[in-house]
Amino acid sequence: GQNIDQPTEMTATEGAIVQINCTYQTSGFNGLFWYQQHAGEAPTFLSYNVLDGLEEKGRFSSFLSRSKGYSYLLLKELQMKDSASYLCAALDSNYQLIWGAGTKLIIKP
Amino acid sequence: GAVVSQHPSRVICKSGTSVKIECRSLDFQATTMFWYRQFPKQSLMLMATSNEGSKATYEQGVEKDKFLINHASLTLSTLTVTSAHPEDSSFYICSARDLGTSYGTQYFGPGTRLLVL
Repeated sequence: GQNIDQPTEMTATEGAIVQINCTYQTSGFNGLFWYQQHAGEAPTFLSYNVLDGLEEKGRFSSFLSRSKGYSYLLLKELQMKDSASYLCAALDSNYQLIWGAGTKLIIKP
Repeated sequence: GAVVSQHPSRVICKSGTSVKIECRSLDFQATTMFWYRQFPKQSLMLMATSNEGSKATYEQGVEKDKFLINHASLTLSTLTVTSAHPEDSSFYICSARDLGTSYGTQYFGPGTRLLVL
């Protein structure tokens, strides 16, 4: 079956760095997405990786290892507004998104 | 980035009435749109995939006669919740696939919060 695993909840301190991990098992693979969802709002697109390696975009970076079925989202210089759920989603061979349950990130002052 | 609008943002209705939700891609054409439902503190649940000019594909357990989907143009899909009941109260979110980006990134509308009394 197809499956996405990510931690349910993480806590970090303002100004610090946090890494949110995601492992996936899908029927075929056409890339890995990360979305951010603030409470009560719809998800917003953060990043897309299809090749191995690290993609940096400002304070956020996303990493992919296809051989390990693994990705992570790295958030630097954490701000209180980064408190949100972070959703990992893998694109399968039919170009359908398989969603993880999301990681709730709590930022403390 | 691509913009998706959704209307209404919030609706309160009586049990037994029907509610229509519109999803529009504003600056790109979307041959495929998706409808999700999200209950409080739960993950996104895909309800159906809407393809322009053809019938929607519903996920297992989603009643197609209750959740009517129409995707009549490349920029508009509608979801009608027919004979709504309190258990249909939820956050409904649409997304549109932008084929102009890598492998068609999905962009989400702001969501519609439905409360059925």
